Amino acid sequence: DAKTTQPPSMDCAEGRAANLPCNHSTISGNEYVYWYRQIHSQGPQYIIHGLKNNETNEMASLIITEDRKSSTLILPHATLRDTAVYYCIVRVEGSQGNLIFGKGTKLSVKP
Amino acid sequence: GAVVSQHPSRVICKSGTSVKIECRSLDFQATTMFWYRQFPKKSLMLMATSNEGSKATYEQGVEKDKFLINHASLTLSTLTVTSAHPEDSSFYICSARSPDGTHEQYFGPGTRLTVT
Repeated sequence: DAKTTQPPSMDCAEGRAANLPCNHSTISGNEYVYWYRQIHSQGPQYIIHGLKNNETNEMASLIITEDRKSSTLILPHATLRDTAVYYCIVRVEGSQGNLIFGKGTKLSVKP
Repeated sequence: GAVVSQHPSRVICKSGTSVKIECRSLDFQATTMFWYRQFPKKSLMLMATSNEGSKATYEQGVEKDKFLINHASLTLSTLTVTSAHPEDSSFYICSARSPDGTHEQYFGPGTRLTVT
């Protein structure tokens, strides 16, 4: 599975959009970009995933660059409850392999 | 989405004793479950992959005789930490692969183990 690079931490004001970047310059053509988050002392929670098209669900939007070497997770209106560590992971969909977690980005949403 | 539970949520045990952690998929059958360990301020580290009806596959550096994994049914996997030591104190998290075989992996809430 390809490696990802994320900033260690970010701050965001409550109510504003949180844009979390992820670099995955060695991603393969059949690898998807997944985002999970982990709120303190809880198990990770799936957010969204995509291959090359932008994706949106009730939680977030995922913007993937045309060359697929980077992506951005967007939380449109961050709340205090969105404070968590956000993990960007790349892997083949339906892979028999497991999710490899990097260090992620600690997002702090401030009032 | 599918729900994965863990029991207990917190456990304190004495050094040298064994402790069992259960992971259940509540509304789906999971042929594959995963066990992770997370130390404070660190990321999740995969310990082993648990396959129903067969032996678990352990990651390099994880002692299979110390961390016993049993996946006897399609809804239950257990992790037993044998002869626990204080350095085994950690947050243990299980996950189960989505039954439709696609993208999602559902995680349990975690078990906080403290060995005194």
